[in-house]
Amino acid sequence: DIQMTQSPSSVSASVGDRVTITCRASQGISSWLAWYQQKPGKAPKLLIYAASSLQSGVPSRFSGSGSGTDFTLTISSLQPDDFATYYCQQYNSYFTWTFGQGTKVEIK
Amino acid sequence: EVQLVESGGGLVQPGGSLRLSCAASGFTFSSYWMSWVRQAPGKGLEWVANIKQDGSEKYYVDSVKGRFTISRDNAKNSLYLQMNSLRAEDTAVYYCARHPEGTFDIWGQGTMVTVSS
Repeated sequence: DIQMTQSPSSVSASVGDRVTITCRASQGISSWLAWYQQKPGKAPKLLIYAASSLQSGVPSRFSGSGSGTDFTLTISSLQPDDFATYYCQQYNSYFTWTFGQGTKVEIK
Repeated sequence: EVQLVESGGGLVQPGGSLRLSCAASGFTFSSYWMSWVRQAPGKGLEWVANIKQDGSEKYYVDSVKGRFTISRDNAKNSLYLQMNSLRAEDTAVYYCARHPEGTFDIWGQGTMVTVSS
């Protein structure tokens, strides 16, 4: 199975900061990667698919990049609504879909 | 409005069974793969099972193979997860999710399953 590893596990940041989260796949997954945001007690929300495509309705301060094994999610200017946990997910491997362990973005 | 609403969670003893349901609305249910994704308390997300539009293909994470069965009724716009031989490690919030092209683009609010004596 393809393993997804996110770093860091948590990050403390202030409103207006630029935040970058990294996701590494245990083998190449082309651009078959998605990013999700989850707030406490709520369901995850799809932010980005195909590594860099913004889901409809998602603010443009969110962006994704990468291909192969290394990917990043960037929040260009952190807003109060962005404090949450973020997960990457690979969908290169048919019949099994795996998530990273999550990165919690906390208020500094 | 596109919506998924899960039901059927609860407290069950180890070795017991439970059937989860997910009611879909606001989109053409029969046109999409559908999935169940779970999240143990304080933990990350784990894909559990998915099913093709017509029910002809089903896939499961190894830890639930032989115990869980995913099914759907397109006439009722509903997705199901039959869970048998439940274990403590199956304790989690179970989400129903629309599953186009490998992503999970619409999620329900989740239903809690607790396996404990």
